[in-house]
Amino acid sequence: NAGVTQTPKFQVLKTGQSMTLQCAQDMNHEYMSWYRQDPGMGLRLIHYSVGAGITDQGEVPNGYNVSRSTTEDFPLRLLSAAPSQTSVYFCASSYTGGPKYFGPGTRLLVL
Amino acid sequence: GQQLNQSPQSMFIQEGEDVSMNCTSSSIFNTWLWYKQDPGEGPVLLIALYKAGELTSNGRLTAQFGITRKDSFLNISASIPSDVGIYFCAGPTLSGNTGKLIFGQGTTLQVKP
Repeated sequence: NAGVTQTPKFQVLKTGQSMTLQCAQDMNHEYMSWYRQDPGMGLRLIHYSVGAGITDQGEVPNGYNVSRSTTEDFPLRLLSAAPSQTSVYFCASSYTGGPKYFGPGTRLLVL
Repeated sequence: GQQLNQSPQSMFIQEGEDVSMNCTSSSIFNTWLWYKQDPGEGPVLLIALYKAGELTSNGRLTAQFGITRKDSFLNISASIPSDVGIYFCAGPTLSGNTGKLIFGQGTTLQVKP
């Protein structure tokens, strides 16, 4: 199993640009989630999903969209990037409840 | 809103020493999770606690679910250099759905060989 994979590993955007962060897992997990990590603030939940076709907002959803068309994939879309979205983004998955497996992260810089 | 406060924020210890850290909240939690994050990587789940008073071990790590359900503790015995990293506690939000977690701000551990 590849576990949880994320692409890209690094990305630089200009303010106003849009992009999609990819996340995939091959463990047939129902629960998937996206977190952002900022210095000294731990991880904050952006969006999460309990199965294909079902998504819900987390603590900091503004400026981000998600969809879950398959069990395996859970992409995160930045609609119009802002400097405040500079962060490290982690995708996670589990069979139930709290995330058990995290991906390696995507480091995003918005100029 | 719900918040998790971890202490200490950072620790610098000698190899072989025992380590204690805790996580507190003003709200009651039904589940406590402890994660470790190595530099440049994603967090890894260490221990999950589901019952007040529960004491669970994973190798040299031991975590406890506080009786008041407002705190949890993580102990590391006989620390080694690979214990270096950031330790996070986490728990489900008021929705009770453990898919929605809040995290503490982390305790950074450094171990001197």
